[in-house]
Amino acid sequence: NAGVTQTPKFRILKIGQSMTLQCTQDMNHNYMYWYRQDPGMGLKLIYYSVGAGITDKGEVPNGYNVSRSTTEDFPLRLELAAPSQTSVYFCASSYPGQGDEQYFGPGTRLTVT
Amino acid sequence: GQQLNQSPQSMFIQEGEDVSMNCTSSSIFNTWLWYKQDPGEGPVLLIALYKAGELTSNGRLTAQFGITRKDSFLNISASIPSDVGIYFCAGRPSGTYKYIFGTGTRLKVLA
Repeated sequence: NAGVTQTPKFRILKIGQSMTLQCTQDMNHNYMYWYRQDPGMGLKLIYYSVGAGITDKGEVPNGYNVSRSTTEDFPLRLELAAPSQTSVYFCASSYPGQGDEQYFGPGTRLTVT
Repeated sequence: GQQLNQSPQSMFIQEGEDVSMNCTSSSIFNTWLWYKQDPGEGPVLLIALYKAGELTSNGRLTAQFGITRKDSFLNISASIPSDVGIYFCAGRPSGTYKYIFGTGTRLKVLA
């Protein structure tokens, strides 16, 4: 198993541009999550999904959108990039009933200038 | 919102020393997870705890789920240089699929 994979690893955006961060897991996990981690800080939940077609907001959803059309994929969309969205973004997945432990991808480092 | 306090924020220790860190919550949690994050990497799960009072080990690491269900502790015995990194706790409140993460403990080991 590759686990949780994220692309791209790095990206620089100009203010107002849009992009999609990709996340894929091959563990057949129902639950998937997007977090952002600002320098020296912990992880803040942006959006999460408990299954295909079901998504919900986390702690800091403004400026982001998500979709979940398949069990494997959970892309995160930034429509109008702002400097405040400069951060490292982590995707995670878990399977309830197997301890609901979350497994993380390697992250996408995004800079908005 | 719910808060999770993790301490200490950072620590320098000598190689071979034991390390202790903890997380405390303002509310009851059903699950506690402990992660380690190396620079430029995603968090890696170290230990998961599911019951109050549970004590679980993973090599030199031992974690405990507090009896009050509002705290958890992580101990690292006989630290080595590769223990350097940021350790995060995460707690899951009852009735939710979401975890709350601590702000991390930055560990530096002096050889």
